[in-house]
Amino acid sequence: QLQLQESGPGLVKPSETLSLTCAVSDGSISSSIYHWGWIRQPPGKGLEWIGSGYYTGSTYYTPSLKSRATISIDTSKNQFSLKLSSVTATDTAVYYCARQLSGRPFDLWGRGTLVTVSS
Amino acid sequence: DIVLTQSPGTLSLSPGERATLSCRASQSVRSNYIAWHQQKPGQAPRLLIYAASSRATGIPDRFSGSGSGTDFTLTISRLEPEDFAVYYCQQYGVTETFGQGTKVEVK
Repeated sequence: QLQLQESGPGLVKPSETLSLTCAVSDGSISSSIYHWGWIRQPPGKGLEWIGSGYYTGSTYYTPSLKSRATISIDTSKNQFSLKLSSVTATDTAVYYCARQLSGRPFDLWGRGTLVTVSS
Repeated sequence: DIVLTQSPGTLSLSPGERATLSCRASQSVRSNYIAWHQQKPGQAPRLLIYAASSRATGIPDRFSGSGSGTDFTLTISRLEPEDFAVYYCQQYGVTETFGQGTKVEVK
């Protein structure tokens, strides 16, 4: 069974760039039937989709974060990453990576990683 | 972008009772691309339903989804103790959006 594992700093300073990686194990990120996404959840709040990518390198984002978010796919390392620039305290959240079959919703999630934005 | 509004915010029920959760979209959802996820405290969401009414692999048949267009419903026929959680609807396709969630709590 394919698994996803997020990793990255748990603390980021305001105005800096948040960087997270999602390692894909027991499966290939290069599969043509899957897209790979990032979703976040502020403490005590609901889910917010950030963006998704495909193994070809194509990406798409939610409009409110499009100017600050970058998703990249590294097929050689079987992982994908998220960079979110110019962070503020409102970016504090649990960040999840997830898999999405084309034309289907997110069906496999990582365990999530808490990122706190604070000086 | 499509906005999803879930109601009620909190549902207080007893084990064995029926739960009915609503998800309303701001515009018609293409191909009824609505999913339902369950999330328990400290855990990642788990997919329950996709395409409005199809159960995901391994999901018990007490969970059912219905609806079309802009109005969708998740029904839990008889609540088990492990069903008390937060439920999110998701619209998917080209872009993804989530509802704000409905908490099902023990009465």
